[in-house]
Formats: sequence, C-alpha cells, structure tokens
Amino acid sequence: KAGVTQTPRYLIKTRGQQVTLSCSPISGHRSVSWYQQTPGQGLQFLFEYFSETQRNKGNFPGRFSGRQFSNSRSEMNVSTLELGDSALYLCASSLAQGQYTEAFFGQGTRLTVV
Amino acid sequence: DAKTTQPPSMDCAEGRAANLPCNHSTISGNEYVYWYRQIHSQGPQYIIHGLKNNETNEMASLIITEDRKSSTLILPHATLRDTAVYYCIGGTSYGKLTFGQGTILTVHP
Repeated sequence: KAGVTQTPRYLIKTRGQQVTLSCSPISGHRSVSWYQQTPGQGLQFLFEYFSETQRNKGNFPGRFSGRQFSNSRSEMNVSTLELGDSALYLCASSLAQGQYTEAFFGQGTRLTVV
Repeated sequence: DAKTTQPPSMDCAEGRAANLPCNHSTISGNEYVYWYRQIHSQGPQYIIHGLKNNETNEMASLIITEDRKSSTLILPHATLRDTAVYYCIGGTSYGKLTFGQGTILTVHP
C-alpha cells in the first residue's frame, strides 16, 4: 500500500512569488490535513479537507489556501511569499472515522524563500 | 483539544524501557490521547492511541491514569532508532492534531 506522497520534496522560491504544493493521500483516505513546521513555532495546523470541503482551518493568513479534488488529492497554495514562509510543509491523510483519527504523514516539502 | 505538557528531553539506555510521561489534565471525556513521534527530517509517525483503557501494540504500550489526567508511553526495549521527538496529543478535531513541543528522547548505546 503506497504511503502519502508529497511533491516536490524541495523548493526554492523568491519573495513575492507564489507556490503550489501537492499531496496524494493513501488510497481510500478522504481526509487530508496540512501542517507547517518551523524551528520556532513547531508543527502548526493549516487546514483540513474532507470530500473536497474544507472542514477546519488553523490560524494562518489568507495567503495560505488549499483545495481537494474528487480523487482526494490535495494542493496547497501560498501567494506573495515571505521569508518567514520558509518551512517544512507536511500533509497527512486519514480515514477520519469519528473521534478516532490515525493520521499518516508524508515526507514533506521543504520550502525555502529567498 | 486538551493542552498537553511533556518534559523537553529524556535519555534512555539501549535495551531498557523508555517511559515518556504526558500531562493532559484538561482532556474531556470523549477525547482520545494520541502519541506520535518524529524522527529527524521525516514526517510524524503514529504510535498509539487510547481513551480509558491501557493499550498495547507492536510499537509501544500506553498507560492512562484512571482520572485520565495523564498518561505514559512505554517503549519496552528502546533501540537507537527510537531516538526521536515524541508528541502527546489530547484530542483531535476534524483532522486537526495540536502538536506541542514534545519530548526529545535520546537513546544511548
């Protein structure tokens, strides 16, 4: 069974540009969540999608957005990049059955903004 | 989601049991306790979860106190590959896992 796949693994962008990251969940998983990890703030929740609908959102500016497609694949977009957006971006997929959520994480996309 | 408190770091000798504590005094009655770990530069890995009863799987055991205000993750025979940051999470809401700072576990030869 294939795990969660994130592409690309590494990315370098310039301030002011935009970026799109992709996440392919485990087959059959309908929930995809995104996290940002930085040395200073740790792992922070960005948003979660389930069946193409955003169900939950963290405390990030509107420059961070996402979407989910009918095959459960998800993308997140960051517009007008800032130096502080440099981070490891992780996505996780799960079956999202009620209260119990075992999340499977991808290897992440390392974004560097210069 | 409940706030959790963990010691910032712990050491363990290889082959010995590693006992990682977590305080989650504000956890509500229907919220699960989850444990994840993150080995350097990789995505977090699910370890175990529990509600009221003690749980065991191939990776670890989870002991939850009767009042559910704290729990302990036990790695019965720690190896060097268990060196990682361990996160205790109290509850989840629509895919959101609230990670704290976790405990850096270092397993020594």
